[in-house]
Amino acid sequence: GQNIDQPTEMTATEGAIVQINCTYQTSGFNGLFWYQQHAGEAPTFLSYNVLDGLEEKGRFSSFLSRSKGYSYLLLKELQMKDSASYLCAVNRDDKIIFGKGTRLHILP
Amino acid sequence: DSGVTQTPKHLITATGQRVTLRCSPRSGDLSVYWYQQSLDQGLQFLIQYYNGEERAKGNILERFSAQQFPDLHSELNLSSLELGDSALYFCASRQGDGYTFGSGTRLTVV
Repeated sequence: GQNIDQPTEMTATEGAIVQINCTYQTSGFNGLFWYQQHAGEAPTFLSYNVLDGLEEKGRFSSFLSRSKGYSYLLLKELQMKDSASYLCAVNRDDKIIFGKGTRLHILP
Repeated sequence: DSGVTQTPKHLITATGQRVTLRCSPRSGDLSVYWYQQSLDQGLQFLIQYYNGEERAKGNILERFSAQQFPDLHSELNLSSLELGDSALYFCASRQGDGYTFGSGTRLTVV
């Protein structure tokens, strides 16, 4: 089986930094995705970590520790358009299993 | 445009009815994945097809079925619809490690 946990909601201020954590327990782990999803829209790809460590891509960075079953998504210089749900997902046995997502609210 | 095409975008139907949702993967992608997203739930994996064959099954109800055709488009059939089947239904296709989602079909059962 699999279990993916992330906070339900978070609030941050425009221009600030926020870290969204994700823990997982699963067999057959191949990698971990982060997706962004605006309400009513399709998820869009942010990052994919296969190996331990930090990967930086512009204002967004993603970290993975396979031994701890832990990942985080770091968003810097927050903008109002970053208000969305952020989905942690495990690549397991040739399919993606999603967590319930973290709804991020950005305050001006 | 992600390259994954889903039709229709919206569907309203009555309980007990049957509907068919359609998905065309990106050109060259052989896999199609179907997901259901209800208001209070995350994306739930339903079923996966690869080059016309069923590859994996998730939390798909017996009232639901799917298939992938020789041209690689896929259809998800939902029958004996209930109010609780109201949700967004997404399909995704895959090339390497990249999964791309279509814009979804919003199904409302009344």
